[in-house]
Amino acid sequence: DIVLTQSPGTLSLSPGERATLSCRAGQTVSSSYLAWYQQKPGQAPRLLIYGASSRATGIPDRFSGSGSGTDFTLTINRLEPEDFAVYYCHHYGTSPGTFGPGTTVDIK
Amino acid sequence: QLQLRESGPGLVKPSETLSLTCTVSGGSISGSRYYWGWIRQPPGKGLEWIGSVYSSGSTYYNPSLWGRVTISVDTSKNQFSLKLTSVTAADTAVYYCARRDRLYDILTGYSPGWIDAWGQGTLVTVSS
Repeated sequence: DIVLTQSPGTLSLSPGERATLSCRAGQTVSSSYLAWYQQKPGQAPRLLIYGASSRATGIPDRFSGSGSGTDFTLTINRLEPEDFAVYYCHHYGTSPGTFGPGTTVDIK
Repeated sequence: QLQLRESGPGLVKPSETLSLTCTVSGGSISGSRYYWGWIRQPPGKGLEWIGSVYSSGSTYYNPSLWGRVTISVDTSKNQFSLKLTSVTAADTAVYYCARRDRLYDILTGYSPGWIDAWGQGTLVTVSS
């Protein structure tokens, strides 16, 4: 299985700032099979990005994904109060696929 | 609108079998485009993929749970189910049912893709 490492573990920012979250894979992720999810306390995760850079239905355009190979980035422009949450990356396309440990974006 | 809802006991004794069912509404489980599966999250921790099933009954399981997990589908009820045997305290978690896109690669064939729909989750505690 491909091991995913996310950094930083916690990102403390203010509303209106930009968040840059990193997900690094231990091996090349083929076909950019990489997704990002947002999880708020007490809720199920929500799909934000799939295929490394495609936004899921209904996701605001302040969320963007980029990267290929082993290095992927989720960028959140102009943080809104509802964006403070935990973010997970996910490698799929193989069984079982793996999740990163998560990055917490909290209010500074 | 698609909805997934988990149901089952919230408390299971050690060494017994955890059984959960996911009922899907607003969409058919028989469609060809998706896999259906289970993910769990221990309290305060990250996500772990348990396994997935296709409408034909074919399955993928997390090797770390191999031999203990069975996922099955009942298309007549639009439901799929999880059974996890010989549970211990380490199996205490919020269990989510989910829908996964079905990818096709010319070299490797079909495989589970991203997760585009989740149930709300159900906490299962393993304790005597």
